[in-house]
Amino acid sequence: GDSVTQTEGQVTVSESKSLIINCTYSATSIGYPNLFWYVRYPGEGLQLLLKVITAGQKGSSRGFEATYNKEATSFHLQKASVQESDSAVYYCALSENSGTYQRFGTGTKLQVVP
Amino acid sequence: ETAVFQTPNYHVTQVGNEVSFNCKQTLGHDTMYWYKQDSKKLLKIMFSYNNKQLIVNETVPRRFSPQSSDKAHLNLRIKSVEPEDSAVYLCASSAWGRYAEQFFGPGTRLTVL
Repeated sequence: GDSVTQTEGQVTVSESKSLIINCTYSATSIGYPNLFWYVRYPGEGLQLLLKVITAGQKGSSRGFEATYNKEATSFHLQKASVQESDSAVYYCALSENSGTYQRFGTGTKLQVVP
Repeated sequence: ETAVFQTPNYHVTQVGNEVSFNCKQTLGHDTMYWYKQDSKKLLKIMFSYNNKQLIVNETVPRRFSPQSSDKAHLNLRIKSVEPEDSAVYLCASSAWGRYAEQFFGPGTRLTVL
């Protein structure tokens, strides 16, 4: 079945350094899934960070970017210069063919240190 | 305020008891979901409803039963809880369709002793 695999556990990055959180997917039931990144800030609910629905395109929000790479089946999340306020848990997700639900990765906790 | 609301925030109970969780969304969405987040932080779909109709039941034990009175409410009942039911249960809503982002509630943490 379909699945999402992302960088596991916690990633610690120094403020102003660059970040990449890996996400790869397997979409056996559909050829071109829609891809999402969600974020949960401390004390808040899970919310959408960005989405891309067309292969080859890039989504961006709050300084984060992710490119839908169909050949590599990847959707890595990147930021050139992180801030302490970016500390949160990030989830990669894809939508099923019928759009009836989304399948999530296990989440990556980002800790940005001064 | 437009959002997804869940009650209770926490619930501790004994094995074999029945529990119910409530979810309400004021976003005007047609579709609602229940996800289970286990100890490894994996989010797994349990149920999906569209306009009060069950769309997805993703291999969930029969002791779990969703209840939808209207498209703004989706409750979850667990009859006779077991230790492996300890988790965070997240309710979400969205417009219908694969392009739609999902909006999540704060979650209900269940602990089964």
